[in-house]
Amino acid sequence: GENVEQHPSTLSVQEGDSAVIKCTYSDSASNYFPWYKQELGKRPQLIIDIRSNVGEKKDQRIAVTLNKTAKHFSLHITETQPEDSAVYFCAASPPASKIIFGSGTRLSIRP
Amino acid sequence: NAGVTQTPKFQVLKTGQSMTLQCAQDMNHEYMSWYRQDPGMGLRLIHYSVGAGITDQGEVPNGYNVSRSTTEDFPLRLLSAAPSQTSVYFCASSYSDGRRNEQYFGPGTRLTVT
Repeated sequence: GENVEQHPSTLSVQEGDSAVIKCTYSDSASNYFPWYKQELGKRPQLIIDIRSNVGEKKDQRIAVTLNKTAKHFSLHITETQPEDSAVYFCAASPPASKIIFGSGTRLSIRP
Repeated sequence: NAGVTQTPKFQVLKTGQSMTLQCAQDMNHEYMSWYRQDPGMGLRLIHYSVGAGITDQGEVPNGYNVSRSTTEDFPLRLLSAAPSQTSVYFCASSYSDGRRNEQYFGPGTRLTVT
């Protein structure tokens, strides 16, 4: 089955700098790769997703890149702000199947 | 729409007790899943369902049962609670159109087993 690894587990960046979180997956059939943000005490919420036929997708300050050959994908947050502090999860899903999550990255933004 | 609802919000059980965590969605989503989130850890899939009458195991299914008799409801049963099942449980539902499979999460149930 699918296995998703996520790094780093914690990340601290200066406000205004960029943050990058990386994930790898094992199942070459996976074709959908979402990213979720979870604020303290709240439920995870989707922030951006990418399908396997697209190499990069951007939405304002966040972007995702996907390398299907290497089976890895990354989340990039530019011009970080205090409200970006949260736990971020990557995930991978084969078609019409279960979604497997990575172990999460706790992002802290230093003022 | 209420979205995904879960009851109860909090629960304390003694070792060996059984209980059912309730999950319901009103979005007519075909996919529903149960995850557990341990402190400082990620979301691990317990069981999932791709439609009424169809369920399958996830990454950590032992000690849990599920059934899906209707599209709306997906209860999770703990057969004999153990301290290792202390966790926050999230139910999620989604609609897959073959391109996207966005999970909508419920508010979670915080379970403590003593």
